Amino acid sequence: EAGVAQSPRYKIIEKRQSVAFWCNPISGHATLYWYQQILGQGPKLLIQFQNNGVVDDSQLPKDRFSAERLKGVDSTLKIQPAKLEDSAVYLCASSLSGQEAFFGQGTRLTVV
Amino acid sequence: QKEVEQNSGPLSVPEGAIASLNCTYSDRGSQSFFWYRQYSGKSPELIMFIYSNGDKEDGRFTAQLNKASQYVSLLIRDSQPSDSATYLCAVKRYRGSYIPTFGRGTSLIVHP
Repeated sequence: EAGVAQSPRYKIIEKRQSVAFWCNPISGHATLYWYQQILGQGPKLLIQFQNNGVVDDSQLPKDRFSAERLKGVDSTLKIQPAKLEDSAVYLCASSLSGQEAFFGQGTRLTVV
Repeated sequence: QKEVEQNSGPLSVPEGAIASLNCTYSDRGSQSFFWYRQYSGKSPELIMFIYSNGDKEDGRFTAQLNKASQYVSLLIRDSQPSDSATYLCAVKRYRGSYIPTFGRGTSLIVHP
């Protein structure tokens, strides 16, 4: 069974630029999560989808972050414009049952 | 009070010993509890989850849940150097739906 796929693996951008991350969850997994993990901290949930509907986005900085999950499969997370404090690993995870989650390899973003 | 609290460590144990990792949570309505392992530079991977008070065992790992005292622990028996990693506790709290919240993790070092 293929795991959660994310791309790119690494991205370096200048502040005020925009960036997008892509996630393909495990086939059949209805629940998809985007997390932000800053070095030394635990993952922080940005947005949770159930199929193509948003379950929770209370911690998503909506003035600069957006996410979508068209057709209930792939998802993209966008940051525009990026700030220095957005430097982090962005993790995508998916779940079949809505309980245990399986993580992708993550995208390491550096904003300079 | 943080929603999910873990001692950041590091917790250092000798090879073959029992490692005990603890996590407390603030929301009494929390439903399910997860332990993830995260190696340096890698994504979290699920070790086990628990819903009910008491113990749940899986190989060398035992999760213990005490809802009255609002803590969950993970015991690792016969610790191996390969167990050296950060252990993340995650709790599902109700915010309209059950949403996962992670602690900052405890660093475990198993020395030969």
